[in-house]
Amino acid sequence: KNEVEQSPQNLTAQEGEFITINCSYSVGISALHWLQQHPGGGIVSLFMLSSGKKKHGRLIATINIQEKHSSLHITASHPRDSAVYICAVRKETSGSRLTFGEGTQLTVNP
Amino acid sequence: DAGITQSPRHKVTETGTPVTLRCHQTENHRYMYWYRQDPGHGLRLIHYSYGVKDTDKGEVSDGYSVSRSKTEDFLLTLESATSSQTSVYFCAISPGRKGAGETQYFGPGTRLLVL
Repeated sequence: KNEVEQSPQNLTAQEGEFITINCSYSVGISALHWLQQHPGGGIVSLFMLSSGKKKHGRLIATINIQEKHSSLHITASHPRDSAVYICAVRKETSGSRLTFGEGTQLTVNP
Repeated sequence: DAGITQSPRHKVTETGTPVTLRCHQTENHRYMYWYRQDPGHGLRLIHYSYGVKDTDKGEVSDGYSVSRSKTEDFLLTLESATSSQTSVYFCAISPGRKGAGETQYFGPGTRLLVL
């Protein structure tokens, strides 16, 4: 079983919908990252969390350390949000290294 | 955007030939990483470096070697390429300051096809 599991694997939404992508992990962590991979392949970091909630524009990321779970929410989704969203954790025992989930492919239709 | 470039961006090679991929950064970050990305696996760490001449293995290091002779360059070498090494390779960097939770910045990727 992967140490980092994302759900769903694929998600299709209509423009304007509220979207939630989930990430569960089975190890102790010092931080959790959400990344976005554009259709052209480039990867950018969206959030880094160790507790609570962070917001940037229409994106909100939350983490519950006790439940080993994080969610990424997108409000008022837009076709330009179509991308792969990747959850990654920094394990307590692995220094700077990240362990990645397989990603969630999001498609937002106009 | 963090100054990270990868070269080449695309490469086709034959089984058994050596291949070297280069990652170059202009951010003076301490840590550099090589990942491969394959369908059904997500990103997996091949090797990483925590300083000049300081490197360590990741989870999928077999068949790969790395070198870091200066802060800005991290080379990944496939000594004898195999078809299983067909993949997209990403370099990443992070500052290396004390404390957990540093952001990693990714290069544009290199698509490698081994025939």
